[in-house]
Amino acid sequence: DAGVTQSPTHLIKTRGQQVTLRCSPKSGHDTVSWYQQALGQGPQFIFQYYEEEERQRGNFPDRFSGHQFPNYSSELNVNALLLGDSALYLCASSLEGRRGETQYFGPGTRLLVL
Amino acid sequence: DQQVKQNSPSLSVQEGRISILNCDYTNSMFDYFLWYKKYPAEGPTFLISISSIKDKNEDGRFTVFLNKSAKHLSLHIVPSQPGDSAVYFCAASATDDYGQNFVFGPGTRLSVLP
Repeated sequence: DAGVTQSPTHLIKTRGQQVTLRCSPKSGHDTVSWYQQALGQGPQFIFQYYEEEERQRGNFPDRFSGHQFPNYSSELNVNALLLGDSALYLCASSLEGRRGETQYFGPGTRLLVL
Repeated sequence: DQQVKQNSPSLSVQEGRISILNCDYTNSMFDYFLWYKKYPAEGPTFLISISSIKDKNEDGRFTVFLNKSAKHLSLHIVPSQPGDSAVYFCAASATDDYGQNFVFGPGTRLSVLP
């Protein structure tokens, strides 16, 4: 059983560009959350998707948007990239209604904005 | 303003001894707490959790203690093993969200020396 997978593993972009990151949840999971982890910090919640809808959102600007597909996979889009968007982006999947311990993280996509 | 704090960026412990990792929080609405462990190039993995109705939860070598009045929790690892060397994140959530929006601390890097 594959766990949470993310692509690409690494990405380099320049300021002002747009980026799309992808996530496939663990088999059987229907909820996907995205986190941003800057260097030396803990993961920060961006948003969560359930039933193809954004259900909850953290303190991130509208430049950050997402999508969830019928197969529960998800994309994170970031427009008008800033240098400060350089970070590790983590996707976590879980089962609706279950807390904490059923949240599985992928290895992340490391984004560098030059 | 950091709602979850881990004031020790790093900790070194001798193999076989006890490791104690600390976490403080400011939001009194938090009622569910977790510890995650993260190895390089991997996503965080769930370690142990505790609900605010308890003050202790134990799982093998890992015990989490919660002091609600002090808004403080700690993770004890006994005995510590070299494989425990990783970054440990404390995370918290409140019941009034969907329980899967976690606020993470900045992490503590544990090094267990053989």
